[in-house]
This record gives sequence, C-alpha cells and structure tokens, in this order.
Amino acid sequence: AQRVTQPEKLLSVFKGAPVELKCNYSYSGSPELFWYVQYSRQRLQLLLRHISRESIKGFTADLNKGETSFHLKKPFAQEEDSAMYYCALSGTGGFKTIFGAGTRLFVKA
Amino acid sequence: EADIYQTPRYLVIGTGKKITLECSQTMGHDKMYWYQQDPGMELHLIHYSYGVNSTEKGDLSSESTVSRIRTEHFPLTLESARPSHTSQYLCASSPPWGTIYFGEGSWLTVV
Repeated sequence: AQRVTQPEKLLSVFKGAPVELKCNYSYSGSPELFWYVQYSRQRLQLLLRHISRESIKGFTADLNKGETSFHLKKPFAQEEDSAMYYCALSGTGGFKTIFGAGTRLFVKA
Repeated sequence: EADIYQTPRYLVIGTGKKITLECSQTMGHDKMYWYQQDPGMELHLIHYSYGVNSTEKGDLSSESTVSRIRTEHFPLTLESARPSHTSQYLCASSPPWGTIYFGEGSWLTVV
C-alpha cells in the first residue's frame, strides 16, 4: 500500500543546532517526493521537491530509494524555521498525492 | 495574479444549516482537491477532481458533496451541518503531476 510515514509528531531543537525531519515512504512505482511547510497563520506551501535538487531556506532533502526515505535536513536551525512540515508523495498515472501526518518543528532560542 | 481563492474565510453557523464553501483558482489547473485539517494536524483528503464533471471521494469519509461544472470552480456543500463538521477546510489545485497549491482555508464552526 502507498504510504508516507513521519515518525516524529514534534521535534524541538535549539537555534543553531542541526535538524533532520524524517520521512519514509512506501510506493511501488517511481515516486515524486515533496516537503510542504505551514508557518503560523500562513497557507500550506511547497518547500522543496526532490526532482529540483535545490536548497530552499537552507533545507535540503535527498531521495534514498534504497531506504525509501526523503529526510529533510538543515545544518543550522533558525527560530523562523518553526512550523509544521509535511512530507508528500505523488506518483504517475494520475495517482493522487499522499501526505504524511506532519512534524511540528520548534526551534528554541 | 494566479491564485486560489476560498470564501468565506471564517464561518459560524447553527446545526442543521446548509453551507457551501467556495473555491476558485486562476492557475489553469485541471486537478482540484478539498482537504480537512484540524489545526496543526494531519491533512485528510475528502474530495478531488481531475477535471470538469469529474469528482471522487477521498480517503476520509465525508458527508459533504462537491461539484465541478467549470474548471476554475470547485465548491463544497454540507446539506446539514453538525458540530462534528467544525474544522478547517483547505482547497487546492495542481497540474497533472507536481506541486499542489493551497488556498488560505475556510474555518468552519458549527454551533
């Protein structure tokens, strides 16, 4: 079955510390993976997608097909990174996007 | 400017009332979605559409209905609202493959 798992509901780190938000997926075809972010009082929006292979706001994510993971990483967390992060998977052939349950990141001063 | 518009943003209504949450997009996307989300919680897909006259139920059972008569318009209707329908409803759209674009959400409170 197709599934996206974010094992941590809450992740709390200090400012300047590295942060990694975990995402594992299950999909039989070739997936496209995304990270979406929802800042307080803002709409849910795309943070990055794996095919772009770019760094957004210092965040990167590498698709590891062997481990079926797409973890989101940032070497030095900032207070403004505090938000809700959702990992999502989209497939081919009209497959609808599946979202994980989300991880709330709290960056402490 | 291309965007997704949801109205009303906030609504408080009494039990048993009929409501329609409006969603329009000027992105030119064929695919549209409705998600239900309690604050800071999981997104639940309740309806989606691949194009005009196409509607499907999502993963979460919902008493709401949707219609897609025009590409840009995807309204959601509750015939008889109940307190259990209190939640945030997010409308979204996307191209055939790729990024989903979300509206600002409609907060519904049923008293």
